[in-house]
Amino acid sequence: KNQVEQSPQSLIILEGKNCTLQCNYTVSPFSNLRWYKQDTGRGPVSLTIMTFSENTKSNGRYTATLDADTKQSSLHITASQLSDSASYICVVSRDGGSQGNLIFGKGTKLSVKP
Amino acid sequence: GAVVSQHPSWVICKSGTSVKIECRSLDFQATTMFWYRQFPKQSLMLMATSNEGSKATYEQGVEKDKFLINHASLTLSTLTVTSAHPEDSSFYICSARDARLGGVAPDTQYFGPGTRLTVL
Repeated sequence: KNQVEQSPQSLIILEGKNCTLQCNYTVSPFSNLRWYKQDTGRGPVSLTIMTFSENTKSNGRYTATLDADTKQSSLHITASQLSDSASYICVVSRDGGSQGNLIFGKGTKLSVKP
Repeated sequence: GAVVSQHPSWVICKSGTSVKIECRSLDFQATTMFWYRQFPKQSLMLMATSNEGSKATYEQGVEKDKFLINHASLTLSTLTVTSAHPEDSSFYICSARDARLGGVAPDTQYFGPGTRLTVL
C-alpha cells in the first residue's frame, strides 16, 4: 500500500531553535518527494523537491534530505522564526508522468513560540 | 512563478443550496487541474482530476453528480457543490499543472490558496 507517514504529528519549539521533521514512505514506483509548507487556511507552498538521485536540497533555512534506500526523508529548519509556524507536508509522487498521482502525508504541525 | 487563485476564499451557505468555486491559473496554461478536499488535521484528499475540454475523472467514493467540475478553458476550472449539506463543510483546494513543464518534475502541481466552505 502506498503510504506516507510523518512524525511528529505536532511540535512546539522556541524561536531561534532548530528542528527536524521526519517522513517515511512506502510508495512505488518512486518518482520524487516534495516538502510543502501550509499556513493555516492557505494552500500548500512548495519548499523542496528531490528525485531518486538527490540526497539533499536546501531552500534558505530549509534543508531536506532523502535516503531512497531506507525510504526516509527529513526536513531540517534552522534558526526558526515565528513565521515558520505552519503544517509541513511530505508528498511523494508515485509516477512522474501520470496525473494527480501524489501521495500526501498528514503533515507535522509546527508551532514556533517567542 | 506560477500562481493559482481561487474564488471565493470562504463561503457560507444554507443546506440544500449549490456553491460554485473557481480555480484560475493566472500566468500559465493548465491542461490539467486537480480538486482536493481537506478536513481538519487531515491531509489533502484528491477528489477529481480535471482536463481541459473533457470530462473530469473522479476518485473512488466521490459523487460526480454532487461535485460538478467544469474545465472550460486552459486557465479556469470550476467546482460546484450541489445540494450542499453540513457534511460537505471543508477546505477545498485546487491545483494546476503547467502544460509547458517537462524534465525532472512534469507532475509539478501549483496549489491555490483554498476555499473554506461552511454549510449551515
